[in-house]
Amino acid sequence: AQSVTQLGSHVSVSEGALVLLRCNYSSSVPPYLFWYVQYPNQGLQLLLKYTSAATLVKGINGFEAEFKKSETSFHLTKPSAHMSDAAEYFCAVSRGGSQGNLIFGKGTKLSVKP
Amino acid sequence: NAGVTQTPKFRVLKTGQSMTLLCAQDMNHEYMYWYRQDPGMGLRLIHYSVGEGTTAKGEVPDGYNVSRLKKQNFLLGLESAAPSQTSVYFCASSEQGDTEAFFGQGTRLTVV
Repeated sequence: AQSVTQLGSHVSVSEGALVLLRCNYSSSVPPYLFWYVQYPNQGLQLLLKYTSAATLVKGINGFEAEFKKSETSFHLTKPSAHMSDAAEYFCAVSRGGSQGNLIFGKGTKLSVKP
Repeated sequence: NAGVTQTPKFRVLKTGQSMTLLCAQDMNHEYMYWYRQDPGMGLRLIHYSVGEGTTAKGEVPDGYNVSRLKKQNFLLGLESAAPSQTSVYFCASSEQGDTEAFFGQGTRLTVV
């Protein structure tokens, strides 16, 4: 079975500081990994995804994530936080193929202080 | 430019009542999903479908049923609502299991 663990339900950074949101996964087969963002009272939108190509994945809004198989991790980073980055971030794993069970972590709420 | 549309957006039910949530997508996606979102629990997969006429159980299927009679629609039913089903429900669709999932705006359901 697949699962995702996001370390830290809340992360607070200052504007301009590094953003690091942690995600570890468990999967019995090579996984597909995703980061989604949710702004208040909205649905989720895709930030970036890993599908077994390059291990360093670049997404929208300056975010990127690195797939590390040895650490079973897919942490999300951004060099310099902006006030507009305040939102909830979700890591997700899928087996792909005909197994359509996209599983999400519990989310990390990011606050950005001026 | 609709994408994924959920109806209704809000609903209040009494315990024991039944209702159906409708999800419609206009992207010709094969995969569709129903999630519930509760504070501190993230999104939990209720049921999903990998194509027209198929359904499968997710992490928290009890108390819910689904149907995918048409490719573009995925219905979530609550036969006898319970207060524990108070939640925000999200529908999503994707072309395949390894492609981006597109989400609806959610349905806020309260069971009293």
